[in-house]
Amino acid sequence: AQSVTQLDSQVPVFEEAPVELRCNYSSSVSVYLFWYVQYPNQGLQLLLKYLSGSTLVESINGFEAEFNKSQTSFHLRKPSVHISDTAEYFCAVSVVTGFQKLVFGTGTRLLVSP
Amino acid sequence: DVKVTQSSRYLVKRTGEKVFLECVQDMDHENMFWYRQDPGLGLRLIYFSYDVKMKEKGDIPEGYSVSREKKERFSLILESASTNQTSMYLCASSSYSRGTEAFFGQGTRLTVV
Repeated sequence: AQSVTQLDSQVPVFEEAPVELRCNYSSSVSVYLFWYVQYPNQGLQLLLKYLSGSTLVESINGFEAEFNKSQTSFHLRKPSVHISDTAEYFCAVSVVTGFQKLVFGTGTRLLVSP
Repeated sequence: DVKVTQSSRYLVKRTGEKVFLECVQDMDHENMFWYRQDPGLGLRLIYFSYDVKMKEKGDIPEGYSVSREKKERFSLILESASTNQTSMYLCASSSYSRGTEAFFGQGTRLTVV
């Protein structure tokens, strides 16, 4: 079975500062990796995903994540955050073979203040 | 754009009531999912379906059942609601394609009193 660990339940940061949200996973088989974002009172939206190829993936709004197989990590980073990035961020995995259902971490709430 | 629609944003029900949460998707996706979201616990999978009339238990199926009579519709049923089922419920759908993302509805916040 797969599992995802997001150790930081909340990350406060000032506007324009860099941020890293940590994600580690456990799996005995190959996985796909995802980051989803949930803005207040909304459902989840895909932020970015790693399927194969380059280990660094980017989103359209400046976030990036790097797949590190040896450390089983998929940390999310942004060099300069905005107030509008305040949201909850979920890391998730699904298996490469077999039925693809997402297994989520417990989420990290990013709080950006002026 | 893919759209996953949940019938209610907010529901208040009494203990013991039978509760139906409805979800409809418009992208002809084969897979549909029901998750519940609780603070500090993230999203936990209740049930999923990979085809019409097919259903599989997720990680926390106790106290719930589901129905999928049509490809676009996936219903979550609480046979006898209890206060510990107060939660945010999220429906999602995805296609069979490898590595595809799941698309989520807006969520239904259910309060059982």
